[in-house]
Amino acid sequence: QVQLVQSGSELKKPGASVKVSCKASGYTFSTYNLNWVRQAPGQGLEWMGWINTNTGNPTYAQGFTGRFVFSLDTSVSTAYLQISSLKAEDTAVYYCARIRYSGSNDKSFDPWGQGTLVTVSS
Amino acid sequence: QSVLTQPPSASGTPGQRVIISCSGSSSNIGSYAVNWYQQLPGTAPKLLIYSNNQRPSGVPDRFSGSKSGTSASLDISGLQSEDEADYYCATWDDSLNVWVFGGGTKLTVL
Repeated sequence: QVQLVQSGSELKKPGASVKVSCKASGYTFSTYNLNWVRQAPGQGLEWMGWINTNTGNPTYAQGFTGRFVFSLDTSVSTAYLQISSLKAEDTAVYYCARIRYSGSNDKSFDPWGQGTLVTVSS
Repeated sequence: QSVLTQPPSASGTPGQRVIISCSGSSSNIGSYAVNWYQQLPGTAPKLLIYSNNQRPSGVPDRFSGSKSGTSASLDISGLQSEDEADYYCATWDDSLNVWVFGGGTKLTVL
């Protein structure tokens, strides 16, 4: 079945970097683009951007430029989110989510990875 | 402040019907299909409704969605204890060029 499996929780100090992975299975990786969504503790969902899994071209939402980098390793059907110069406010659960196309050309996110908790604390 | 406005909470007793609203504007709900996601406690969001009113395979028909103008709603009938979760509406916004989510509605089954 279609599945996205993310890497485990991370505890990092301010100023460090972290790389979260999202491994896809059950479908052809390059056929469906992947999105990244952030959820701060006790807060709602915030779209960070997406990566074209065919070309590797990333698109970042406002507020997620500079320190955030989306990348791929198509040989292992895996997408990555790297965050550098970590700050306490980066503490959140980060989700990857595959784009889903419906017959009317509408889009949605399905499935989602299980989420990766990144905690930034000294 | 979320671009899409949802009530922060809703509640009902088992068997009741609950409706969760989602209000937007012409640049988002008014122009694009709305999706709804269910997030059970401690888990990842799951697609519940797509294209305004379509249910993915496996989603009970107790869940239904609708859209009118710049508003959408999620209707849950025959409420069950396992429906206790956070519910988010979402769509594309072509003014901001981002996917936007509602702030989420916490549903409590009394």
